[in-house]
Amino acid sequence: QKEVEQNSGPLSVPEGAIASLNCTYSDRGSQSFFWYRQYSGKSPELIMFIYSNGDKEDGRFTAQLNKASQYVSLLIRDSQPSDSATYLCAVNVNGTASKLTFGTGTRLQVTL
Amino acid sequence: DGGITQSPKYLFRKEGQNVTLSCEQNLNHDAMYWYRQDPGQGLRLIYYSQIVNDFQKGDIAEGYSVSREKKESFPLTVTSAQKNPTAFYLCASNAVRFNQPQHFGDGTRLSIL
Repeated sequence: QKEVEQNSGPLSVPEGAIASLNCTYSDRGSQSFFWYRQYSGKSPELIMFIYSNGDKEDGRFTAQLNKASQYVSLLIRDSQPSDSATYLCAVNVNGTASKLTFGTGTRLQVTL
Repeated sequence: DGGITQSPKYLFRKEGQNVTLSCEQNLNHDAMYWYRQDPGQGLRLIYYSQIVNDFQKGDIAEGYSVSREKKESFPLTVTSAQKNPTAFYLCASNAVRFNQPQHFGDGTRLSIL
């Protein structure tokens, strides 16, 4: 079983809709969770991070964490064509400060 | 501007040749990381360093070497022992405080001639 799993997609949503991206992880000791956006041919850029159960909102983005079920999700409201990218989930496993394990990413396509 | 600078942007390696990728940061971060990304794949950790003159192997360290002589610099050498070096190499850094996010440079794309 992979430590961090994401559906590779593509996930296709129409412009203005809500995009929901999901990530599951295997290590119950994981403590911090990060979402990165990566445009084709570019490096990842940090979108959000979350440490506590529940929701965390930043503009059009909401991260949701459920440690009991071992999943973290990213919601993108009012999706725009510029949101079309691959979204990488990263998890701090084993309690090692800053050492992250990445999922393979979900490709999001926002259609006009 | 503060940031992480990787050079070169593109690099070509001949068979049997060692090549060195540069990573410099002026964010005063203690920790630096090297990742490898293959097409359609996530990032895999090669080496990381949390303090000057110390570094640890990541998940795929074979065929690579690093040094950390200065806080600002963490160069990666891809040796001839790395048989499949074609990939996108990413350098990251963060503050050594629990849970601080990593930020990435623009990457170096390495190809075999």
